[in-house]
Amino acid sequence: QSALTQPASVSASPGQSISISCTGTRTDVGTYDYVSWYQHHPGKAPKLMIYEVTNRPSGVSDRFSGSKSGNTASLTISGLQAEDEADYYCSSYTGSSTHVVFGGGTKVTVL
Amino acid sequence: HLQLQQSGPGLVKPSETLSLTCTVSGGSISSGNYYWGWIRQPPGKGLEWIGSLFYSGGTFYNPSLESRITISVDTSKNQFSLKLTSVTAADTAVYYCARHAPVSALFDYWGQGSLVTVSS
Repeated sequence: QSALTQPASVSASPGQSISISCTGTRTDVGTYDYVSWYQHHPGKAPKLMIYEVTNRPSGVSDRFSGSKSGNTASLTISGLQAEDEADYYCSSYTGSSTHVVFGGGTKVTVL
Repeated sequence: HLQLQQSGPGLVKPSETLSLTCTVSGGSISSGNYYWGWIRQPPGKGLEWIGSLFYSGGTFYNPSLESRITISVDTSKNQFSLKLTSVTAADTAVYYCARHAPVSALFDYWGQGSLVTVSS
C-alpha cells in the first residue's frame, strides 16, 4: 500500500478538465510544500510536471497546474489532449527517515 | 543537457546481489547542490523511492530497504551505483536513477530505466 492515496483512474473527453487528488497526512503533504507530480508513459522514464506544489518546470504546458489544501494535493489538467493519456504519480517529502513517498498512481484515459 | 545512462544485468538469481550503475553526462555529479537517487517500479505497481546520496558520500535510504541497500558514488567516472543484496522475486522491478533536489520530492532528470528480473 502506497503512502499517498490517489484514485486508480480518471477519464474524460478531449478538451475537458480533470483533477487528480493525492491524499497524505500531516507528516508529509500537510506540512511540507514539497509535492511533485510525474507523468509516466509506459516504457519511458517518468517526467516531472509539477514541483513544490504549484511550480512547472520549463517546457511543461501551462495546461498542467497544481494545488494543495490541508493533507491533499491536486493536479489539474485542462484542455485534455490525447497525449496526456498516461499514469500520473504524486510524491511528497516527509521530513522523517522515509524522506520521500509516492502515491500509487492514477491512470488517465482520454476518451 | 544532463543525461543519465543506466547499465547492469537484467537477470539476477534469488539471494544474490542486484547491481546497477548510472553514468551522468552533460554535467558533473559533484557540481551543484543535488542528490542522486534510485527509484523502482515493480510490475503493475507504483513508484518506490529506494535511496539517494550526495556526491561527497552522504546517503539516505528508504527504511524498508535500508538493511539491504548500498548506494555509492565514483566521482572520477561521474557515476553512482546501487547494490541490493539478498534479492527475492519481490525485487523484480524497473529501476530508475534520477537527479534529486535536496529536501524535496523533486526528481528532474531520469535514466532510461532498467528491468531487473529476479529468477533462477
